[in-house]
Amino acid sequence: DVKVTQSSRYLVKRTGEKVFLECVQDMDHENMFWYRQDPGLGLRLIYFSYDVKMKEKGDIPEGYSVSREKKERFSLILESASTNQTSMYLCASRPQTGHTEAFFGQGTRLTVV
Amino acid sequence: AQSVTQLDSQVPVFEEAPVELRCNYSSSVSVYLFWYVQYPNQGLQLLLKYLSGSTLVKGINGFEAEFNKSQTSFHLRKPSVHISDTAEYFCAVSPPGYSSASKIIFGSGTRLSIRP
Repeated sequence: DVKVTQSSRYLVKRTGEKVFLECVQDMDHENMFWYRQDPGLGLRLIYFSYDVKMKEKGDIPEGYSVSREKKERFSLILESASTNQTSMYLCASRPQTGHTEAFFGQGTRLTVV
Repeated sequence: AQSVTQLDSQVPVFEEAPVELRCNYSSSVSVYLFWYVQYPNQGLQLLLKYLSGSTLVKGINGFEAEFNKSQTSFHLRKPSVHISDTAEYFCAVSPPGYSSASKIIFGSGTRLSIRP
C-alpha cells in the first residue's frame, strides 16, 4: 500500500511564527504536491515538486515556500503565519508517468491565532 | 490549461435513492479524469478513474462514472446510496503522459448528505 504521511493532524500556531508542515511518501514517487483545502473552494495547488530540489509554483504560492532535499520528503513552510492561512493542508504524491492517480496524506488542519 | 466545474456544491438524498454528482471539464487536449472521496477529517481516496477505452468506469463502493467527450462531462452515479456514502466528492483532471507538470486539477467539491 502506498503511504503518504503528514507529520501532524492538528496544529495551532501564533501569527508571525514560522511553520513547517512535513510530508513523507514511501513509494519512490517523483512528484509531490501541497494543496490547501477551504470550504467551497476545493483543493488549490500551492506548490509541487517533480524531482529532488526541483519545485514549481502552483496557483496560490504567496506566503509559502517548499523544500525537497530528499525524494521521499516534501516540506511546506509558512514563513510568517497569518490568520488567513488557517486551513486544511493536504500533501500528495504521484509517479511521473501520469497514468495513475495521486495518493494523499490524511491532512493537517492548521489554525493560526 | 485544464479546469473542472462541479455543478452542485451540496446534494441531499434519501437513503437507498439513486444519486448523480455532476462534473464538467475544460481542456484543449485529451485528459485523464478522476473522482475522489473525502470522509470527514480524512484525506482523499480514489473512487475511480478514466484513462482511455470504455467510457463507463466502475469504481469502489458501487459508484460508476461515464465519460462523455462531446459534452466534456464525467458524472458520478450510484443506483442506491447508503448512510456511509455521506462525504465530500471531488472531480479532477490531469494531462496525460510524461510531464514535469503532471499536476491534478480539482473541482470545488460536492457535499453528499444522505437522509435516513
